[in-house]
Amino acid sequence: RKEVEQDPGPFNVPEGATVAFNCTYSNSASQSFFWYRQDCRKEPKLLMSVYSSGNEDGRFTAQLNRASQYISLLIRDSKLSDSATYLCAVERGRRNNDMRFGAGTRLTVKP
Amino acid sequence: NAGVTQTPKFQVLKTGQSMTLQCAQDMNHEYMSWYRQDPGMGLRLIHYSVGAGITDQGEVPNGYNVSRSTTEDFPLRLLSAAPSQTSVYFCASSPWGGAQDTEAFFGQGTRLTVV
Repeated sequence: RKEVEQDPGPFNVPEGATVAFNCTYSNSASQSFFWYRQDCRKEPKLLMSVYSSGNEDGRFTAQLNRASQYISLLIRDSKLSDSATYLCAVERGRRNNDMRFGAGTRLTVKP
Repeated sequence: NAGVTQTPKFQVLKTGQSMTLQCAQDMNHEYMSWYRQDPGMGLRLIHYSVGAGITDQGEVPNGYNVSRSTTEDFPLRLLSAAPSQTSVYFCASSPWGGAQDTEAFFGQGTRLTVV
């Protein structure tokens, strides 16, 4: 079993829809959590960090549930430009920057 | 601002050949790492380094060597290429220290095909 698991997708949604991705992690010592966005044939780029209290950045909301060991990403009012693969990332332990990624969830937003 | 630079961008190797993938960063980051990305598998950590002279193994280290002689450079060596090493390789760097926002900056990737 992979240390970080994601909904496999693909998710195909119309513009304006709300879509949610989940990600579970198995290492209870994990300290930091992130969502990355990866466009086709490009490198991953940080979308947002995930804080214990939950955090929001415009149309994007990230939440962390340490007890159940999962993180989520909610995208509201989807845009065509949101089409990409979304990767969750989990940093194992503290001060070691050993980061593990999920396999990614592909999102396609259609007109 | 170059960030993380990987070379080459594309490479075709024959089985058994060796080669070095180059990675350089100009952000004075302590931490550097190498990932491979395969369809359905996501990014898998090969090796990482928390500073010059220090390296450690990740999830899938077999068949790869690394060294970190300077803060800026972190080359990945394929000792004897195999078709199973066909993949897209990403180098990443980040500041080390365990801060909440330890964003990893990625290079543009190297697409490697082993025939």
